[in-house]
Amino acid sequence: GENVGLHLPTLSVQEGDNSIINCAYSNSASDYFIWYKQESGKGPQFIIDIRSNMDKRQGQRVTVLLNKTVKHLSLQIAATQPGDSAVYFCAEIAYGGSQGNLIFGKGTKLSVKP
Amino acid sequence: EPEVTQTPSHQVTQMGQEVILRCVPISNHLYFYWYRQILGQKVEFLVSFYNNEISEKSEIFDDQFSVERPDGSNFTLKIRSTKLEDSAMYFCASKEKAKNIQYFGAGTRLSVL
Repeated sequence: GENVGLHLPTLSVQEGDNSIINCAYSNSASDYFIWYKQESGKGPQFIIDIRSNMDKRQGQRVTVLLNKTVKHLSLQIAATQPGDSAVYFCAEIAYGGSQGNLIFGKGTKLSVKP
Repeated sequence: EPEVTQTPSHQVTQMGQEVILRCVPISNHLYFYWYRQILGQKVEFLVSFYNNEISEKSEIFDDQFSVERPDGSNFTLKIRSTKLEDSAMYFCASKEKAKNIQYFGAGTRLSVL
């Protein structure tokens, strides 16, 4: 059988509103961070990345903010659409201690109401 | 657009049986990974593979697990004697040399009965 999973934090927003998804990472030595989107039944899909020497990076409708002081990462999605509904994971890489494998956070489920 | 492909999409097996999960990474990628995701939980690293050998492995990747790149395109994960707790989604990922972004396949759902 399969294990009972942990309950994911859920963010519910109205279509057209902005969404902010937060993530606390674990390793102060992490060099690089990625946000992935995972739709039901699919693998993680790359959204945006940021290096540890940056505070902010913008993409198309998405912005990632990094606060190294408190080890916090956030993903902002502008004008959220129904197609943005998914689970969002932050992931970190600490190159000093690994060959580049990703350490994933717990995930946040985003639900967009039409 | 190039993508990582995984087969089968769903594998059902009896406890104690061997399974092989298959992946075809993106063709110009040199680094390959397997990750596992138990239902409703976060994605966990299993193993990384570069230059025909394991680069790093997690505590989950015990002696029951092995990986192989039998030819120029396939990358496989073998579980020798499956346990109930091996039931999960298994994701293959690959990346280019000197790049950070890993691209994931759609996964194989393994159900051990």
